[in-house]
Amino acid sequence: DVKVTQSSRYLVKRTGEKVFLECVQDMDHENMFWYRQDPGLGLRLIYFSYDVKMKEKGDIPEGYSVSREKKERFSLILESASTNQTSMYLCASTPGQNTGELFFGEGSRLTVL
Amino acid sequence: RKEVEQDPGPFNVPEGATVAFNCTYSNSASQSFFWYRQDCRKEPKLLMSVYSSGNEDGRFTAQLNRASQYISLLIRDSKLSDSATYLCAVNTGFQKLVFGTGTRLLVSP
Repeated sequence: DVKVTQSSRYLVKRTGEKVFLECVQDMDHENMFWYRQDPGLGLRLIYFSYDVKMKEKGDIPEGYSVSREKKERFSLILESASTNQTSMYLCASTPGQNTGELFFGEGSRLTVL
Repeated sequence: RKEVEQDPGPFNVPEGATVAFNCTYSNSASQSFFWYRQDCRKEPKLLMSVYSSGNEDGRFTAQLNRASQYISLLIRDSKLSDSATYLCAVNTGFQKLVFGTGTRLLVSP
């Protein structure tokens, strides 16, 4: 089975702190994604990567950056957390072919105070 | 207009009922379509892909209407375990899926 692991299920941070959300997948997938999910807004794509050291902006990249130094790991970074970044963050991966099936991690619920 | 729109519900149905959800999309060039299921406090998981000819998987049937730009999901003989949020997703290119906000289904005894 595909396993996408997000390092932290729950985090509480203060405004202005730097936050790292880590995601690791074990199926050698080329593509990795970071979404955030908010009530009434659904899943929104922040960034995605289709290869090591490659990154592409999604629909809401402002306030975020990403890092993909190894194929299996995709990190989301909040340089200076703000209260409007309180959300559920979901990492996903998929193989290179266009299957459309995203494999999601269990999510990281971030609260910024 | 949102790229992908769904009625948020909730749809409250008794066990055994048939229920249908629609999802509209705005980009006529979209090529592939999917339904995901998300249980409370869980991650979304692929339920089924939606093909041009329609497809069926047990009690679930998905249809695509390109002319009107919507996809549908029909659930027959609803079970309590079908209670979840159903997300439609549209592939806008290069594996980039755009999701609807989801439709909540509650199946009661």
